[in-house]
Amino acid sequence: GQQLNQSPQSMFIQEGEDVSMNCTSSSIFNTWLWYKQDPGEGPVLLIALYKAGELTSNGRLTAQFGITRKDSFLNISASIPSDVGIYFCAGQPRNSGNTPLVFGKGTRLSVIA
Amino acid sequence: DARVTQTPRDKVTEMGQEVTMRCQPILGHNTVFWYRQTMKQGLELLAYFRNRAPLDDSGMPKDRFSAEMPDATLATLKIQPSEPRDSAVYFCASGLVIEGEQFFGPGTRLTVL
Repeated sequence: GQQLNQSPQSMFIQEGEDVSMNCTSSSIFNTWLWYKQDPGEGPVLLIALYKAGELTSNGRLTAQFGITRKDSFLNISASIPSDVGIYFCAGQPRNSGNTPLVFGKGTRLSVIA
Repeated sequence: DARVTQTPRDKVTEMGQEVTMRCQPILGHNTVFWYRQTMKQGLELLAYFRNRAPLDDSGMPKDRFSAEMPDATLATLKIQPSEPRDSAVYFCASGLVIEGEQFFGPGTRLTVL
């Protein structure tokens, strides 16, 4: 099946630093989504991207749909302690018909105050 | 505030016992997904439904797991008999279309002793 490679697997940063993580695939995707999972909760949708090259922001978060349609990245600016959690990318492969999103394995973010 | 709800939030049981997890999808969503999350495997798709009909349950161990939607407001995931290796967090998600955005519930943390 389709696979998404998400990196890094984990990262430790100082409060105030910017964060960047990405997701790649060998296949072309129609949509890219980014979710955040807080400890003890379910993933929450942060940003959804539908067009190649699209750049979308949600507060301090910015995500882009790669021009090749095979990747996406998520940036967090000026990190704060509540940014801690697991960030998942997800996407809908092209030509896959009516099939569910494919999820990456997540990037675990720790913020040191 | 439309949300997916799941009950129970936590369940501790002994090996061999039956476990039933319940999910109420967001009103108006006609697709429902069941996932299992472990540290080792990440998010695994177990089964999904559209308009209460099961479309794919190939991710589930067939001999012990079953998923149903008795009505549009209730999805159930049952494990009988449960085993220690079933210990995980089980998430339900709902959406408008199979290939679209998914909205997750808070999960059921299952511990099988």
